[in-house]
Amino acid sequence: SQTIHQWPATLVQPVGSPLSLECTVEGTSNPNLYWYRQAAGRGLQLLFYSVGIGQISSEVPQNLSASRPQDRQFILSSKKLLLSDSGFYLCAWSVGGRRNEKLFFGSGTQLSVL
Amino acid sequence: AQSVTQLGSHVSVSEGALVLLRCNYSSSVPPYLFWYVQYPNQGLQLLLKYTSAATLVKGINGFEAEFKKSETSFHLTKPSAHMSDAAEYFCAVRNSGGYQKVTFGTGTKLQVIP
Repeated sequence: SQTIHQWPATLVQPVGSPLSLECTVEGTSNPNLYWYRQAAGRGLQLLFYSVGIGQISSEVPQNLSASRPQDRQFILSSKKLLLSDSGFYLCAWSVGGRRNEKLFFGSGTQLSVL
Repeated sequence: AQSVTQLGSHVSVSEGALVLLRCNYSSSVPPYLFWYVQYPNQGLQLLLKYTSAATLVKGINGFEAEFKKSETSFHLTKPSAHMSDAAEYFCAVRNSGGYQKVTFGTGTKLQVIP
């Protein structure tokens, strides 16, 4: 069966420090991968998605970047965190090439930038 | 571009009462629509999805939703609320592009009063 791992669960970082959140998927090949951010009262905002290794699309201009060095690994990064980067970050995957498949979410990372 | 609007960021119901969470969509093509549920400090999990096979969709935990094209609505209902239904619920729409970009509503927090 497929599983998705996301870590760390919580993170407190000072402003200006770097960030690296990692997400891995097991039990499937060539998944679509996503990073969402959830801010209070604003729902889920799609940050990045990837349909394959090295293929990253950004949905909103911001202080963050994403990479997909391996088929089932998706990394969210920042060189210098801002206060506004605080939020709940969710990684998700879906079956590649399928049009109406559901998203499977990780358990999320609560990031607090102080 | 597709979008969804959830009416009411907070809904309170008594245990045993009807649950009605509202979602209206905007789409220029027949949409794929989803309802997800999020329990505190967790990722999201799929409740149900509409993919044009049937207008009344049954999901997990006794929830169902009806697709009404004339009203551009996809409201979520449950006949009798249970304490365990307290969570945040998100309506989502999948776009019709070549990749699976899913746009979420801002969410509705459901409180169940004993």
